[in-house]
Amino acid sequence: QVQLVQSGAEVKKPGASVKVSCKASGYTFTSYGISWVRQAPGQGLEWMGWISAYNGNTNYAQKLQGRVTMTTDTSTSTAYMELRSLRSDDTAVYYCARDLCTSCPQKVDYWGQGTLVTVSS
Amino acid sequence: EIVLTQSPGTLSLSPGERATLSCRASQSVSSSYLAWYQQKPGQAPRLLIYGASSRATGIPDRFSGSGSGTDFTLTISRLEPEDFAVYYCQQYGSQFGQGTKVEIK
Repeated sequence: QVQLVQSGAEVKKPGASVKVSCKASGYTFTSYGISWVRQAPGQGLEWMGWISAYNGNTNYAQKLQGRVTMTTDTSTSTAYMELRSLRSDDTAVYYCARDLCTSCPQKVDYWGQGTLVTVSS
Repeated sequence: EIVLTQSPGTLSLSPGERATLSCRASQSVSSSYLAWYQQKPGQAPRLLIYGASSRATGIPDRFSGSGSGTDFTLTISRLEPEDFAVYYCQQYGSQFGQGTKVEIK
C-alpha cells in the first residue's frame, strides 16, 4: 500500500533552516511527483511547491522562491523540503503528498502524516 | 497568480441536507486543473474531486463537482455525519481557496 512517512517534529529559532523528509513506499517513486503543502495553526492549506521524482524538476510557490529547496533521493525513495531563514509565521504542519504527474504539478492522492515545525526564539 | 475565493466561509446544515459549496477564480481556470479536497480535524486532506467533476477513487457518489471558467461548485447531495469537515478547492500547482467549513446545525 502507498505510504508517505515524514520525519518528526522540529523546533527552530528564527533565521535557522529546517529540512523535512518524506519517505515513500508501496509505489514506483520515480513515476510520480511530490508536492509540499503547509498549514499554519488554525489556518487553511498553502501550496509550497512540487518536485518531479522522475527528473528533479521543481516548481515553487512565488512567495517562497529563494527560501525553499525541494530535492529527492531516488535511491531511498525519499523527498526532502528545506526551508531557510525561518520566521515565526513559518510555524505550521508541513505535508508531503504524492502528485500524479512527473512533468508538472497536478492533483495529489496520498499524503504524509504531517510534520510540525515550530519557529520560536 | 489566480486567486480562488470560496463561499460561504461556514455552512451550517443538518445530516441529510444538501450542501452546495462555491469556488470562484479571479481568472478563468481550465476545468481540467481544478480539484476539491476534504480535511477533518487532525488529519491530512483527502482528494475528493479532480478535473472539476471526476470523483477520486473510493469517493461516494453523493459528492459531485461541476463548473467551468471562473465558477466551480462542490455538491454533497445528502450529508452524512462523516461529511462535516472543511473543504478546499485548488488549481493544480497553485494556491488553495481559503476553505469552507461544513458544520452540524
